[in-house]
Amino acid sequence: GAVVSQHPSWVICKSGTSVKIECRSLDFQATTMFWYRQFPKQSLMLMATSNEGSKATYEQGVEKDKFLINHASLTLSTLTVTSAHPEDSSFYICSARDQGAEAFFGQGTRLTVV
Amino acid sequence: SQQGEEDPQALSIQEGENATMNCSYKTSINNLQWYRQNSGRGLVHLILIRSNEREKHSGRLRVTLDTSKKSSSLLITASRAADTASYFCATDEGKFYFGSGTKLNVKP
Repeated sequence: GAVVSQHPSWVICKSGTSVKIECRSLDFQATTMFWYRQFPKQSLMLMATSNEGSKATYEQGVEKDKFLINHASLTLSTLTVTSAHPEDSSFYICSARDQGAEAFFGQGTRLTVV
Repeated sequence: SQQGEEDPQALSIQEGENATMNCSYKTSINNLQWYRQNSGRGLVHLILIRSNEREKHSGRLRVTLDTSKKSSSLLITASRAADTASYFCATDEGKFYFGSGTKLNVKP
């Protein structure tokens, strides 16, 4: 299947700093990318959907000013957690798809804010 | 809530037994997909079933879909210890929404 690369796989940052997570589709053009958040032992919660070249659509309850999403090209989307706090510590996963039905997932980024 | 419901939440079986997981959802869908996740890792796509399909097979996996009941089931036959993982259904409504997941433990 297609490959989605997510970077970094883990990051530790200080409270109040910002962290950027990258999601790249390596062998296909991702017209749509999705960002999810997963707390321990819970399911994946969709945070936002982004289409290349347009603003992301955020799910209800997700702060767009805190979780900045950029989908500037057909192969790259970034999620920036701004002014991170310990409660933002979580596992963040991106997925991407082209015109097909299947979505391909990155390996996830474990964010720890101390 | 964006999540569908899955049951059971946890399932523990012996190697060689079959495992059945169920998923219910709330809205109209384009398709439904099942994913597997090993602890702390990303998701692996298992199988996709379209809204006009009722059953699909892939190796030891069998998926059914009942759009009238808005439910799906995943059957893993002849389970192996390596099947131990969390399993999620995801409904494609233009966006992917995940069910609450079933944690499967296959004891050797």
